[in-house]
Amino acid sequence: AQRVTQPEKLLSVFKGAPVELKCNYSYSGSPELFWYVQYSRQRLQLLLRHISRESIKGFTADLNKGETSFHLKKPFAQEEDSAMYYCALVEFGNEKLTFGTGTRLTIIP
Amino acid sequence: DGGITQSPKYLFRKEGQNVTLSCEQNLNHDAMYWYRQDPGQGLRLIYYSQIVNDFQKGDIAEGYSVSREKKESFPLTVTSAQKNPTAFYLCASKPGVGRNYGYTFGSGTRLTVV
Repeated sequence: AQRVTQPEKLLSVFKGAPVELKCNYSYSGSPELFWYVQYSRQRLQLLLRHISRESIKGFTADLNKGETSFHLKKPFAQEEDSAMYYCALVEFGNEKLTFGTGTRLTIIP
Repeated sequence: DGGITQSPKYLFRKEGQNVTLSCEQNLNHDAMYWYRQDPGQGLRLIYYSQIVNDFQKGDIAEGYSVSREKKESFPLTVTSAQKNPTAFYLCASKPGVGRNYGYTFGSGTRLTVV
């Protein structure tokens, strides 16, 4: 069974400080991992996915298979980054997207 | 304006009644999904459908039913058998089978049992 763990329910960071949202997964195969974000009063939307190796809004995430992690990072937090962040996984041959429990990020001005 | 439309935004139901949540998409997506969002539990998959007239149970299907008679529509019925139906329900879709597609989400329906 696949499982996604986000250990921090709440995270507060000062504006301009680095941000790291943790995500660990348990899956024996080759996973595909995503970060989704939900801003206040907006729909859940895709932030980035590991296969794209892209940087969106200054955020990056590297898949570390040895540590089974997919942490989300940003070097300098901005106030508009305050939101709910979900890590999610799809396993090979399966169409189900499994979410972690989410981390609410608050940027302190 | 393309996207997913969920209606209604807020829904109240009396105990013992069935209620149906609507999800419509005009994105021509093949796959559609229903998730339930509860505080502290993230999103949990209820049902999903990869093609018209076919659907599969997710992780918490008990007390729910779905249909997929049209590509654009994937309604979810919360039956009286669902023991804790008060929650926020999200519908999603993606273009087709395959892991590289991102999901598009609706704006959700908040169901309250009174």
